Amino acid sequence: QKEVEQDPGPLSVPEGAIVSLNCTYSNSAFQYFMWYRQYSRKGPELLMYTYSSGNKEDGRFTAQVDKSSKYISLFIRDSQPSDSATYLCAMSAGGKLIFGQGTELSVKP
Amino acid sequence: GAVVSQHPSWVICKSGTSVKIECRSLDFQATTMFWYRQFPKQSLMLMATSNEGSKATYEQGVEKDKFLINHASLTLSTLTVTSAHPEDSSFYICSAIMGQGGSEAFFGQGTRLTVV
Repeated sequence: QKEVEQDPGPLSVPEGAIVSLNCTYSNSAFQYFMWYRQYSRKGPELLMYTYSSGNKEDGRFTAQVDKSSKYISLFIRDSQPSDSATYLCAMSAGGKLIFGQGTELSVKP
Repeated sequence: GAVVSQHPSWVICKSGTSVKIECRSLDFQATTMFWYRQFPKQSLMLMATSNEGSKATYEQGVEKDKFLINHASLTLSTLTVTSAHPEDSSFYICSAIMGQGGSEAFFGQGTRLTVV
């Protein structure tokens, strides 16, 4: 079993839809939870960063962490074609990041 | 946000030659940098953890004599792919963390290596 599981998709939604991206994990030591966005042929860029359980909102993006279920989510409201990218969850305990496989998202105009 | 610069962004080299990739933290000191490798449509796989002034820690299955890592200063880490082969062709990405123990990581732009 992988430490971090993420459905690779691809996920295709119409513009304006609410997108839900999820990851599950098995290591209860993880304390830092991140979501990265990666455009084709580019390095990942940090979108959201959460410590421990709870919700965090930033504009159209909301990150949720449920440590009891070992489950994290990223919601994108009013999705735009420019949101089309691969979204990677990542988790950390002690600095080393463990990544999910990444979910490829396509937002159609 | 913090900036990590990686150079070069792409490189083509002949089999048997060596290639050096640089990773610099431009506006912060990075005591720890990480090197990842990413194959097409796959996630990032950690290769090694680089601490300033000490030897890098390699993940299982990564050949330390092939992937030489040097972290000589708080703002620069280098990865040298020695005696490159076509199977080393991949996307290499570095990251640096601010602070200690699990703080957010910032990534370089990545280097696409093609060995012919």
